[in-house]
Amino acid sequence: SQQGEEDPQALSIQEGENATMNCSYKTSINNLQWYRQNSGRGLVHLILIRSNEREKHSGRLRVTLDTSKKSSSLLITASRAADTASYFCASIYGNTGKLIFGQGTTLQVKP
Amino acid sequence: EPEVTQTPSHQVTQMGQEVILRCVPISNHLYFYWYRQILGQKVEFLVSFYNNEISEKSEIFDDQFSVERPDGSNFTLKIRSTKLEDSAMYFCASSPGRANQPQHFGDGTRLSIL
Repeated sequence: SQQGEEDPQALSIQEGENATMNCSYKTSINNLQWYRQNSGRGLVHLILIRSNEREKHSGRLRVTLDTSKKSSSLLITASRAADTASYFCASIYGNTGKLIFGQGTTLQVKP
Repeated sequence: EPEVTQTPSHQVTQMGQEVILRCVPISNHLYFYWYRQILGQKVEFLVSFYNNEISEKSEIFDDQFSVERPDGSNFTLKIRSTKLEDSAMYFCASSPGRANQPQHFGDGTRLSIL
């Protein structure tokens, strides 16, 4: 498989705490993307980090990329109950735009 | 903000029947995709479509599957003779480019094969 594991598979925290999710991949990538999926809904793009970037911020989201370790992390700061969702990392492989997704982390934020 | 829309939201079909899932991508996007997600599993790539032809398909996308862009707006996925294992959520996505561009997903069609 081109995409590795995400960990943890499930994460439960209190509102206001930070949540960190990790993703590993196996082959070279041009970029790595993070998506959120609320229960029963489609995937929503959160952030894209290119292979020549090490860190990127968007609001309460911070993504890091370590190409030497083939890993990425997503940090959500000051979490809210509305952040409860599944989070997936994904990379484009080949030249057709095909996205390969990880297994995802299910995040529960308790009010 | 423009959205990708999919219809129907839920389709229940007898095994062996044909089913067509419909998608309206974002109007100025050029690249179109279908993915599926079996309950409890990760999202899997099915097919990519550009310039009115398939650019890549996965092993899942066998002869029972076909895609079409019959007019300037719709993008359809047809399963010719459905099997029980085709039960899944099917997501359509579109993007303006293929590299370093996010894909925009619809809310999916839940396909249940009886």
